Order: sequence, then C-alpha cells, then structure tokens
Amino acid sequence: AQSVSQHNHHVILSEAASLELGCNYSYGGTVNLFWYVQYPGQHLQLLLKYFSGDPLVKGIKGFEAEFIKSKFSFNLRKPSVQWSDTAEYFCAVIFTGGGNKLTFGTGTQLKVEL
Amino acid sequence: DGGITQSPKYLFRKEGQNVTLSCEQNLNHDAMYWYRQDPGQGLRLIYYSQIVNDFQKGDIAEGYSVSREKKESFPLTVTSAQKNPTAFYLCASKDKGNYGYTFGSGTRLTVV
Repeated sequence: AQSVSQHNHHVILSEAASLELGCNYSYGGTVNLFWYVQYPGQHLQLLLKYFSGDPLVKGIKGFEAEFIKSKFSFNLRKPSVQWSDTAEYFCAVIFTGGGNKLTFGTGTQLKVEL
Repeated sequence: DGGITQSPKYLFRKEGQNVTLSCEQNLNHDAMYWYRQDPGQGLRLIYYSQIVNDFQKGDIAEGYSVSREKKESFPLTVTSAQKNPTAFYLCASKDKGNYGYTFGSGTRLTVV
C-alpha cells in the first residue's frame, strides 16, 4: 500500500541550528509532494509543494525541500531555525490515480529552544 | 473572505450517542475531505467526496457516515459504532484543477 513515513517524531533544536526533517514515500509512480505546518492552536498551513520541474523547492518562512526521486524522499530543510518555528510538521503526498487524496505522514513535533 | 468553517470548535458527547460535525465551504471547491488527527498518527482520511451526491470511504471509514447533498456542505456523523471517537477532526476542500487543499480550523470531539 502507498504510505508516507516521517522518521523523526520529536526534534529539539536550539535557535540558529539547521533543520532537516525526513520524509519518504512508497510508490513507484508520479507523486505530488507537500509539507504542511501546524502551529499550536492554528490551522494547517502549506509550507511548500512540488509537482514537477526543479527538485529543489523553496517555500515560505525560509523553508525548502528537495525531491530525490531515486530515494523516494522529500526532506524539509531550514538553515537556521527560530523559536517561532516550534510547530508540528507534516509531509503529505498525492499518489496519482488515487483520487487526488492527500496521504499524510505521522508528523514531526519540532521544539526550538532559546 | 473565502474559506472553510467547521463548527463547533469543541464538542462533548456521551458514549453511545451519534454526533454530527459541520463543514461548510464558500470556495466553490468540488472536492471535500474529512481527516482525523491523533497524536503521533498524523492525519488519516475518513471519507471524501469529489462531487455532489457522491462520496468514497477513506482509510478509516468504519463508524462514520457522511452526506454531500450540497456542494458547500459535507457533514460528518460519528456514530456509536466508532470505537474510539475522541479525536481532532479536520475538514478540507480542493478545487478541481488545483492541488492546493484548504483546511478548516477543526473540531475537537470528546466522548465521555
């Protein structure tokens, strides 16, 4: 079955540290890839998305992600995190031919300490 | 402002009672989705509807029911058959030609 994996469930970083959150999916076909963020008490917000083209995607708030097709991965990165980045981050995938349903990973809770 | 409205924000019910969660959108989106969010499990798809009067089961449909009588509305009923109904429920919608999803602010259901 098609699935999305996020291996880091909880991450704690100090301000200014670099961030990389892993996301892998299991599917050999075409995919559309997303990262969402959920700040405490707020809506899910789209950080960035990849459909085609340049595999390095830049999103809001200084986040970027790289699609590596051979590794079935779409890792999220930020060079220098801030306290305000404390949130839960979800990787999500649309597997083509699957009714345009978003399949989510289990999420990564990021805590940034001052 | 266009968006998705979920109501109520918090809902308490006694075990054994059915409860209906509201989801309304004024974005003119064709597709609507219901997800359940539990700590450590991410968001899991309950039901989705791509057009009016049609809907499909998602990954965890057991104990839930939906209807889609109007394009704007996609209510979710949590029935007494749902073994563990306490959770955070999110509704989303998507335009036909656009892969961008819009999410509501969610309803936290607590069954006691």
